Amino acid sequence: GESVGLHLPTLSVQEGDNSIINCAYSNSASDYFIWYKQESGKGPQFIIDIRSNMDKRQGQRVTVLLNKTVKHLSLQIAATQPGDSAVYFCAENIGGDYGQNFVFGPGTRLSVLP
Amino acid sequence: GAVVSQHPSWVICKSGTSVKIECRSLDFQATTMFWYRQFPKQSLMLMATSNEGSKATYEQGVEKDKFLINHASLTLSTLTVTSAHPEDSSFYICSARGRGFSNQPQHFGDGTRLSIL
Repeated sequence: GESVGLHLPTLSVQEGDNSIINCAYSNSASDYFIWYKQESGKGPQFIIDIRSNMDKRQGQRVTVLLNKTVKHLSLQIAATQPGDSAVYFCAENIGGDYGQNFVFGPGTRLSVLP
Repeated sequence: GAVVSQHPSWVICKSGTSVKIECRSLDFQATTMFWYRQFPKQSLMLMATSNEGSKATYEQGVEKDKFLINHASLTLSTLTVTSAHPEDSSFYICSARGRGFSNQPQHFGDGTRLSIL
């Protein structure tokens, strides 16, 4: 449900450093996970996904790690750039082939310092 | 590929006006479209799910007579906020998913900022 007055957690990193954004998901039966990036005033943009039969998946400068034991998902961004500054959401597929099946996390704001 | 276009991007109107927002999938057939509402510094809140050719499914607490959704074709869904009031001011985002199973990404539009005076 909606959380009134919730402030987004913020992660500040130096340009060029690696960033790690974490997400705890809720449903142990979730079988598919996505990371989205949302810049100010825009819609979420797909970054990378991972299915539950995998522990790790790599993209260009990004890696997603999945730990099903503790229901934890992380997004690693290598050599963080100013353009990476945005809010990052994880989403889990809670199942079902019809209608709502994605639940979004609360989001983390990534700020890249010069 | 998988581009979703949302229009308009920003609307400012008087209280009592009805506002229509369009969501189009430009290069794929969207069998399912989702409408979200997002308050500042918060996550996305699903309002409703629409499947082409059938009535939308609304989430609990969302007034279907207030937020009218039409998904008349495989490339277009519309959200009409009827008799909008200041409390309806928000960022509305649509997403679309093509044919196939649920474990594939939703592709999002760039959102519509609705400001009711």
